Amino acid sequence: QVQLVESGGGVVQPGGSLRLSCTVSGLTFSTYDMHWVRQAPGKGLEWVTFISYEGSQKYYADSVKGRFTVSRDSSKNTLYLHMNSLRTEDTAVYFCATADIVVAPAAAEFFLHWGQGTLVTVSS
Amino acid sequence: DIQMTQSPSSLSASVGDRVTITCRASQSINNYLNWYQQKPGKAPKVLIYGASTLQSGVPSRFRGSGSGTEFTLTITSLQPEDLATYYCQQSKSSPIFTFGPGTKVEIK
Repeated sequence: QVQLVESGGGVVQPGGSLRLSCTVSGLTFSTYDMHWVRQAPGKGLEWVTFISYEGSQKYYADSVKGRFTVSRDSSKNTLYLHMNSLRTEDTAVYFCATADIVVAPAAAEFFLHWGQGTLVTVSS
Repeated sequence: DIQMTQSPSSLSASVGDRVTITCRASQSINNYLNWYQQKPGKAPKVLIYGASTLQSGVPSRFRGSGSGTEFTLTITSLQPEDLATYYCQQSKSSPIFTFGPGTKVEIK
């Protein structure tokens, strides 16, 4: 079955850096666009970033633009999120998710497969 | 940017009740609207995509409707396992997505 497993979370000081990983199995990773979504404690879901299946297209939420970088390594079936200049407001559980597209009965795109999430805490 | 709102922010209902959650978009998103269920401590799970198509394996008591700027998620007969927070998500501006703020459903 499909599994997405995030890792790399932890406690980091404001201004610090962290790299999250998302290892994917059970599907052909190299054919899937991928997303990162985060959820601050007790808050709602926030879309963070997108990377296309071949890695050429990347989009970021304004809240992380210029500080976070998404990348992928298809040889390792792994998605990454490089986070720099971390702020206290970046404290959240970070989920990776697959972008799934259907064409019938109507065109739609949604996040079908999710990881369990990894907690990032930015605190001094 | 497309903004999403949901109402109510929370509700409490009894087992067997019909529950309705509304999601509104700041501009027309046609039918590019998805609904997710998130149980405490778990990752979200897609229930409905394309505004009204039930994801495989999701109970038929979940129904989605609407188009343009106003959408509805209905649980026709609330069950104890439906305790969760429900989020709408627009995919009109894919690959940039926006979630609604969520509706927390509690069981009386």
